[in-house]
Amino acid sequence: KQEVTQIPAALSVPEGENLVLNCSFTDSAIYNLQWFRQDPGKGLTSLLLIQSSQREQTSGRLNASLDKSSGRSTLYIAASQPGDSATYLCAVRPLSLYNFNKFYFGSGTKLNVKP
Amino acid sequence: DTEVTQTPKHLVMGMTNKKSLKCEQHMGHRAMYWYKQKAKKPPELMFVYSYEKLSINESVPSRFSPECPNSSLLNLHLHALQPEDSALYLCASSQGLMSSGNTIYFGEGSWLTVV
Repeated sequence: KQEVTQIPAALSVPEGENLVLNCSFTDSAIYNLQWFRQDPGKGLTSLLLIQSSQREQTSGRLNASLDKSSGRSTLYIAASQPGDSATYLCAVRPLSLYNFNKFYFGSGTKLNVKP
Repeated sequence: DTEVTQTPKHLVMGMTNKKSLKCEQHMGHRAMYWYKQKAKKPPELMFVYSYEKLSINESVPSRFSPECPNSSLLNLHLHALQPEDSALYLCASSQGLMSSGNTIYFGEGSWLTVV
């Protein structure tokens, strides 16, 4: 069974710092990996999606990388801002016709960016 | 339009009540999902509908009854719930096939309190 782990569970940084969030998964047979942001009491907002054949995706100050063979993805946030404070979750989609719609989520990293 | 709309945003119900949560998307997605999320935990998959047919039921108690009236709508009927069922209920949708991308989009959620 796929296990997804996110480290650290919580992170507090001063404004302006560059930071890296980590996501690891145990089964490399994935279709894609998606990073989300969740604000307290809200739904999940999709940030970046990386197909299994891709190495990285970028959107603004965000850059996500994927190393499928080692079971790792990182989310890099440049020049962090207080508005980036949220919980960040990663989810993998299995390369399986049977379980294709069964996403496996990590427990998230709660980020606090201090002004 | 990448919006998944959920109603109501908040619901308080007694243990003997019958209520429903509703979800709508107009992105032409053919897979729709119900997730349950407790505080400080990742979303837990409950049900998946693929092409309006129930494809995944994660052993959810029968007091939760999903319904997919058409490709744009998804309901979750609630009856005789327990206080431990209080949580944020998230609806999501994605394309139903192994096509390029296949981002999953989430609604803002319905906060359910069972008293």
